[in-house]
Amino acid sequence: AQKVTQAQTEISVVEKEDVTLDCVYETRDTTYYLFWYKQPPSGELVFLIRRNSFDEQNEISGRYSWNFQKSTSSFNFTITASQVVDSAVYFCALQLIKAAGNKLTFGGGTRVLVKP
Amino acid sequence: GAVVSQHPSWVICKSGTSVKIECRSLDFQATTMFWYRQFPKQSLMLMATSNEGSKATYEQGVEKDKFLINHASLTLSTLTVTSAHPEDSSFYICSARDAEREIDEQFFGPGTRLTVL
Repeated sequence: AQKVTQAQTEISVVEKEDVTLDCVYETRDTTYYLFWYKQPPSGELVFLIRRNSFDEQNEISGRYSWNFQKSTSSFNFTITASQVVDSAVYFCALQLIKAAGNKLTFGGGTRVLVKP
Repeated sequence: GAVVSQHPSWVICKSGTSVKIECRSLDFQATTMFWYRQFPKQSLMLMATSNEGSKATYEQGVEKDKFLINHASLTLSTLTVTSAHPEDSSFYICSARDAEREIDEQFFGPGTRLTVL
């Protein structure tokens, strides 16, 4: 069975600080996707990134960056120079590519509070 | 493109009544839709997978007679919470899979907040 663990339940930072969210996953499959989603107070999930298990190249998108390390089964997410609008719950998720149903397994989420 | 809507966005009902939530893919055909439930300050938990024209597949522990799912067309799936009780109060989110895309993707609806009094 698959499992996604986000050990940090809540992180509080002051605006302009960097914040890193940890994500560790477990699966026996070798082909899978990893995702990060943002859930602001409105509740709607916002897709941030999808990473294929074969692509370990790190990615940067504006103030967001992701560090995928297959050796440690981790897919960490960093927000650089945080802003108040970054306050939200962030979910890491895993999807097996070959599995029937293509289900998403979500981590418990990390609540980020950015104070002005 | 790839927009998923849910209706209603929120609903308040009395205990014992049934509530229907709609999930629509607006600009693509969704052979598969997923229904999630999210309790306050918790993660999303998959309730069931809905396939167009066939019976839904429920996750372990989810009562299929209580949470009725119908996926009658390629753009619409409905979740009916029958005889709702306060413990069913939750945020219900659907997602739709666009099977025609090269990379299998799920697109999420905005969610429906259900409060049972």
